[in-house]
Amino acid sequence: TQLLEQSPQFLSIQEGENLTVYCNSSSVFSSLQWYRQEPGEGPVLLVTVVTGGEVKKLKRLTFQFGDARKDSSLHITAAQPGDTGLYLCAGETGGFKTIFGAGTRLFVKA
Amino acid sequence: DAGITQSPRHKVTETGTPVTLRCHQTENHRYMYWYRQDPGHGLRLIHYSYGVKDTDKGEVSDGYSVSRSKTEDFLLTLESATSSQTSVYFCAITRDRSSGTEAFFGQGTRLTVV
Repeated sequence: TQLLEQSPQFLSIQEGENLTVYCNSSSVFSSLQWYRQEPGEGPVLLVTVVTGGEVKKLKRLTFQFGDARKDSSLHITAAQPGDTGLYLCAGETGGFKTIFGAGTRLFVKA
Repeated sequence: DAGITQSPRHKVTETGTPVTLRCHQTENHRYMYWYRQDPGHGLRLIHYSYGVKDTDKGEVSDGYSVSRSKTEDFLLTLESATSSQTSVYFCAITRDRSSGTEAFFGQGTRLTVV
């Protein structure tokens, strides 16, 4: 069974702090997506990474795809209360097969 | 906004009853998906469709069936609901297979089976 493990599962931090969320697997992915989900809503796509070693930035969010395309990280600089939510990673292994991680629930306190 | 509408948004039903959830899209996308989301499990694919009347099973398809008679509608049916099917159900579309599985999700249907 292919798995995508996210860590930590839960993170509560103060506004202004930095944090990193990890997404790890033993499988190689052709692409990997990060989503953010707010309560009562569906996940919203943040970014897709495709190339091993790729780094993408979205304002204060930095996404990195591992060189071997088996893992990824999301780093948030100077977190704000608006960053609060569930962060999900999803990896495509080919065909229609996408595996989602269980998510990291982030709470940023003002 | 990918124009995805799920209905109903909330439903409580009794064990053993049939339930149908509807997903409607306005942008004529070919690929549609049904996922369920449970604590500790993330999103798991139930069924997907790659065109009208073209569907296939996902990871957790037992107890579920789907139909797609029109491009815009993808229906998920629980033939005889069980308590283990209490979950939040999400419909999704992908715009272009060549861009990977970048999915756009509906707002979800919270189903409780009592």
